Amino acid sequence: DVKVTQSSRYLVKRTGEKVFLECVQDMDHENMFWYRQDPGLGLRLIYFSYDVKMKEKGDIPEGYSVSREKKERFSLILESASTNQTSMYLCASSFPGEQYFGPGTRLTVT
Amino acid sequence: RKEVEQDPGPFNVPEGATVAFNCTYSNSASQSFFWYRQDCRKEPKLLMSVYSSGNEDGRFTAQLNRASQYISLLIRDSKLSDSATYLCVVNDKAGGFKTIFGAGTRLFVKA
Repeated sequence: DVKVTQSSRYLVKRTGEKVFLECVQDMDHENMFWYRQDPGLGLRLIYFSYDVKMKEKGDIPEGYSVSREKKERFSLILESASTNQTSMYLCASSFPGEQYFGPGTRLTVT
Repeated sequence: RKEVEQDPGPFNVPEGATVAFNCTYSNSASQSFFWYRQDCRKEPKLLMSVYSSGNEDGRFTAQLNRASQYISLLIRDSKLSDSATYLCVVNDKAGGFKTIFGAGTRLFVKA
């Protein structure tokens, strides 16, 4: 069974803080993704990675960066959190094909 | 126009009803199509892939119409446990990285 885990389920941060969201998958998948999900907007792709140390911008990369130092781990970084980054963040991995999602991190920036 | 559009619903149906969701996509070059299910406060999970010839999995039937650029999901004999949000997903190339999720259609099945 594929397992994708995320470091926190709920997170509250202050404006301007640096925020790290971590994602780990145990299926040796090549591809990993970070999305945010907001009501009425669906899932929007922030960044993805198809190999270690490789990254590609998604549809809404502004204000975010990522790191993939190991195949199983893909980190999302908010350099200076802002209130408009309050959202549900979902990590996914795939071989390619079906994407398997982690449980999500609900981030609130105050 | 959004790349993938779905009726947000909600659809409120009694147990045992048949319900159908449609989804339209804008890129005629899109190659692979999926339906995901997302329960409240949970992550999305693959429900089924959608093949050109149409495919069925128990009470669920998925259809693809490339000419009109839409996919559909039919649920027969609805169960209470079918209550969820159903996401239409389109890949711009087979297994590729341009994966676009629709905003989802909410379904409530009531006793």
